[in-house]
Amino acid sequence: DTGVSQDPRHKITKRGQNVTFRCDPISEHNRLYWYRQTLGQGPEFLTYFQNEAQLEKSRLLSDRFSAERPKGSFSTLEIQRTEQGDSAMYLCASSPFRGTNEKLFFGSGTQLSVL
Amino acid sequence: EDQVTQSPEALRLQEGESSSLNCSYTVSGLRGLFWYRQDPGKGPEFLFTLYSAGEEKEKERLKATLTKKESFLHITAPKPEDSATYLCAVQDSTSYDKVIFGPGTSLSVIP
Repeated sequence: DTGVSQDPRHKITKRGQNVTFRCDPISEHNRLYWYRQTLGQGPEFLTYFQNEAQLEKSRLLSDRFSAERPKGSFSTLEIQRTEQGDSAMYLCASSPFRGTNEKLFFGSGTQLSVL
Repeated sequence: EDQVTQSPEALRLQEGESSSLNCSYTVSGLRGLFWYRQDPGKGPEFLFTLYSAGEEKEKERLKATLTKKESFLHITAPKPEDSATYLCAVQDSTSYDKVIFGPGTSLSVIP
């Protein structure tokens, strides 16, 4: 059990560029979540997957955001045409959902800065 | 729509001074309520899950309780290493068990 891994840890980009983040969950965890967190706020739900199926995407989320989890393993989160307001910590979490309460295991996050 | 609020936003305690953090929630179907601890620059770390009103969980100096509308995290005789942000989250059984977080309470324990 190596924990949830996120790459990169930090990303600096210019406004208008596309960025992609990767999350490797704990092996055999079937649920994977993406959250966004800004300073002084709690994690804001973005989307989540059960295996390769995307269960829900936040209604507040722009169409510039897209996530995939091919083959139910790692996941990627892409932001197109980045804006300064996208600057935040992007957190990934996984869990072994078995139809009951779940405990989320978080990665250390990807800190995005849009200049 | 599911909603989680926490109070206070920030709390400053002297070492040994006990206090409580509050989490109020609105959810269509509560599967579980969670408490997490988050240190600066790190992802949240799981503390407790509470499933039903009246339930209590303890871990070292922390005790979490749950009612039908809110949860409390009681901190007894805190130490400086308890300084962190404490996050409350709810799992909604009517929405594919989505997990929604509150804004957190930032706790500082002064030696």
